[in-house]
Amino acid sequence: GAGVSQTPSNKVTEKGKYVELRCDPISGHTALYWYRQSLGQGPEFLIYFQGTGAADDSGLPNDRFFAVRPEGSVSTLKIQRTERGDSAMYLCASSQTPGGEQYFGPGTRLTVT
Amino acid sequence: SQQGEEDPQALSIQEGENATMNCSYKTSINNLQWYRQNSGRGLVHLILIRSNEREKHSGRLRVTLDTSKKSSSLLITASRAADTASYFCATAFYTGGFKTIFGAGTRLFVKA
Repeated sequence: GAGVSQTPSNKVTEKGKYVELRCDPISGHTALYWYRQSLGQGPEFLIYFQGTGAADDSGLPNDRFFAVRPEGSVSTLKIQRTERGDSAMYLCASSQTPGGEQYFGPGTRLTVT
Repeated sequence: SQQGEEDPQALSIQEGENATMNCSYKTSINNLQWYRQNSGRGLVHLILIRSNEREKHSGRLRVTLDTSKKSSSLLITASRAADTASYFCATAFYTGGFKTIFGAGTRLFVKA
């Protein structure tokens, strides 16, 4: 079956612009995670959805970051007024059971110039 | 900040040798997971061990968990060049949702 997909695979934007990153989880997976990974580092937790609700958003760095999952499937990570420090690989993962093994997408490489 | 910390940061071994990576964490967990990431590729789940389990095996992988010491180890036996990758431990704990915290990883290089 299809795995987790993320679009776009690469996004280059100018400082101050707004971006949206999309994640399509594995069908039927109720749990969805967003992470950010910088080169040479482990993934940094951003937010966890259980169904449509954000059960833990404590990893979002500030109020410029927001994520939604309106129908409990596809999720969008939204970043307002992008800064150069937002440049990173943004990863999405889904799991069939809360807290269970996660299946990762290939990521979106965000570059803010 | 990251909860999990891996040790060593980097490990270089010969093909056929065993590789051991350690992970320490700070708070109570629901489970601990190990992932592999090949250079420039996505993360792949290897094994999950629950907080009430002490040891788990999967093929050439063996994971132990010591909740009293808040530590885990991943052993890869009879390593192969294809095992060259970064290995991350991730701790999952309930906060109303299941927050998962990754460590900085161990970079394993297996020489053919």
